Amino acid sequence: RKEVEQDPGPFNVPEGATVAFNCTYSNSASQSFFWYRQDCRKEPKLLMSVYSSGNEDGRFTAQLNRASQYISLLIRDSKLSDSATYLCVVIRGGYNFNKFYFGSGTKLNVKP
Amino acid sequence: SQTIHQWPATLVQPVGSPLSLECTVEGTSNPNLYWYRQAAGRGLQLLFYSVGIGQISSEVPQNLSASRPQDRQFILSSKKLLLSDSGFYLCAWSEYNRGSYEQYFGPGTRLTVT
Repeated sequence: RKEVEQDPGPFNVPEGATVAFNCTYSNSASQSFFWYRQDCRKEPKLLMSVYSSGNEDGRFTAQLNRASQYISLLIRDSKLSDSATYLCVVIRGGYNFNKFYFGSGTKLNVKP
Repeated sequence: SQTIHQWPATLVQPVGSPLSLECTVEGTSNPNLYWYRQAAGRGLQLLFYSVGIGQISSEVPQNLSASRPQDRQFILSSKKLLLSDSGFYLCAWSEYNRGSYEQYFGPGTRLTVT
């Protein structure tokens, strides 16, 4: 079973739409959670951390459900520039080292 | 602020040739460093990680190796490339921030083995 699973999409939405992605993780010992964004042929970039209490950054809202072991990302008022692949990431580790487990990504296409 | 450099940006190499990719980090000391590979249309595969000079852990058996000769330098090598080594190679470093580790990537090297 994969550490992190995501729906690959693509999600095709019009500008201004609200879109949500989920991801599930398999190990309950996972400690930290993030969403990364990856544009075509570019490196992944940290989008936001995910906390149990939920957190918001402008049009983006991330949520963590530890009991069900899933993470969500909600994008409101989608822009053309939001088109990218969104990677779900969980972290597990020890005292001085943490291993990052990446999902395969969910592709979002925002259309005019 | 911290920055991470990788070179070259693109590389075309014949099967059986050697490989050396370099990554350097600036603005931080004793970072955890990582090498990932991303095949076309696929997710990130962790290849190696390092918690300090000379300390390398390998995640998958293959014909690649890594070295960390200096605190902020991480090198990925191969003696003989295979066609299956083609992909997007990403170096990353992580730091502890706001109660958690965060990871940042270099711009990557796109390798095509012909």
